[in-house]
Amino acid sequence: GENVEQHPSTLSVQEGDSAVIKCTYSDSASNYFPWYKQELGKRPQLIIDIRSNVGEKKDQRIAVTLNKTAKHFSLHITETQPEDSAVYFCAASKGTYKYIFGTGTRLKVLA
Amino acid sequence: EAGVTQFPSHSVIEKGQTVTLRCDPISGHDNLYWYRRVMGKEIKFLLHFVKESKQDESGMPNNRFLAERTGGTYSTLKVQPAELEDSGVYFCASSQGNTGELFFGEGSRLTVL
Repeated sequence: GENVEQHPSTLSVQEGDSAVIKCTYSDSASNYFPWYKQELGKRPQLIIDIRSNVGEKKDQRIAVTLNKTAKHFSLHITETQPEDSAVYFCAASKGTYKYIFGTGTRLKVLA
Repeated sequence: EAGVTQFPSHSVIEKGQTVTLRCDPISGHDNLYWYRRVMGKEIKFLLHFVKESKQDESGMPNNRFLAERTGGTYSTLKVQPAELEDSGVYFCASSQGNTGELFFGEGSRLTVL
């Protein structure tokens, strides 16, 4: 069936360093890739998304890249800060809200 | 504006008991979704309502799960009888139309002992 693999499951970085989270999807018909951030005890919130007609998108310190051929997409966070510590989920969708999520990455930014 | 609200935030029940989770979507959002995250695994789609109609319930695990959205406003998800493997965090989400952001609630953590 459709699935999204996400790596790593945990990631620790020093404050100021960059963090990269990678996802691979199985369904080549997927065309929308959102990233959600869930802080401890809070709701998952959309932080950035990308559609299949775009290769890269950036919003301040976060960026997402998409390689349709390889069916890979990645989240890049630069100049990490303690408030970036959270669980990050990638997802893939074929244009509906039936998202296929990855298993999540727990990011810890060490001060 | 209030976001998606879910109740209860945490429920602990024994195997065989019944639990009902409630979700109030953002006002005006016709689309309502239920998702579930079992410990350490992915967030999995359960079902999708458009107003009071079930648009897609392909993710519902089995017939012990019943979702309703009478009147097209709030939704309930009932688990009866609960089993150990039903433990997890149940997320509700809503959206306005077919495009745009999917807004999640904070989730209802269900623990079945």
